[in-house]
Amino acid sequence: NAGVTQTPKFRVLKTGQSMTLLCAQDMNHEYMYWYRQDPGMGLRLIHYSVGEGTTAKGEVPDGYNVSRLKKQNFLLGLESAAPSQTSVYFCASSTWDSNQPQHFGDGTRLSIL
Amino acid sequence: SQKIEQNSEALNIQEGKTATLTCNYTNYSPAYLQWYRQDPGRGPVFLLLIRENEKEKRKERLKVTFDTTLKQSLFHITASQPADSATYLCASRTETGANNLFFGTGTRLTVIP
Repeated sequence: NAGVTQTPKFRVLKTGQSMTLLCAQDMNHEYMYWYRQDPGMGLRLIHYSVGEGTTAKGEVPDGYNVSRLKKQNFLLGLESAAPSQTSVYFCASSTWDSNQPQHFGDGTRLSIL
Repeated sequence: SQKIEQNSEALNIQEGKTATLTCNYTNYSPAYLQWYRQDPGRGPVFLLLIRENEKEKRKERLKVTFDTTLKQSLFHITASQPADSATYLCASRTETGANNLFFGTGTRLTVIP
């Protein structure tokens, strides 16, 4: 099992460009999450999904959109990238059981110039 | 609003000693706390979950305690090894939505040979 796979691993964008980060999980998990991790800030939840076709806002959703067209995939989009969105982005998945942990990918390092 | 704090940004310890990391929470009463390990360039990996009605949980050289009076969880690594060097994150469920987690900023542990 690959677990949670994120693509790409690294990306450099110019301000105003758009891009989509892809997250795929092979554990048949219902829930999926997108976080950003910044120095001194810890992991912050951007958006999450509790099932195929559903999405919801997390703590820091502004400037991002998401889609969950298939259960195994969760896409994070930046429509018009800003330098403040320079960060490391992590995707995670979990079952519906709150006693079970989240499983994380290894992140996408995104720089906005 | 709910807050989770890991007071020590970094902790250095001699190999063979016990490392103790602290996680404090305020303004809420979490049903459980989770501990994750994060290595440089990698995503967090789940280690242990402790529920509010559990005083202590163990897994090999790891031990976690949960003190609801002090609003604190302690994470111990006994007989520490250089391979234990990593950042350790404390997390608890948020008050809103799904199984969303709220993370502390982490403690970077360095075990010195």
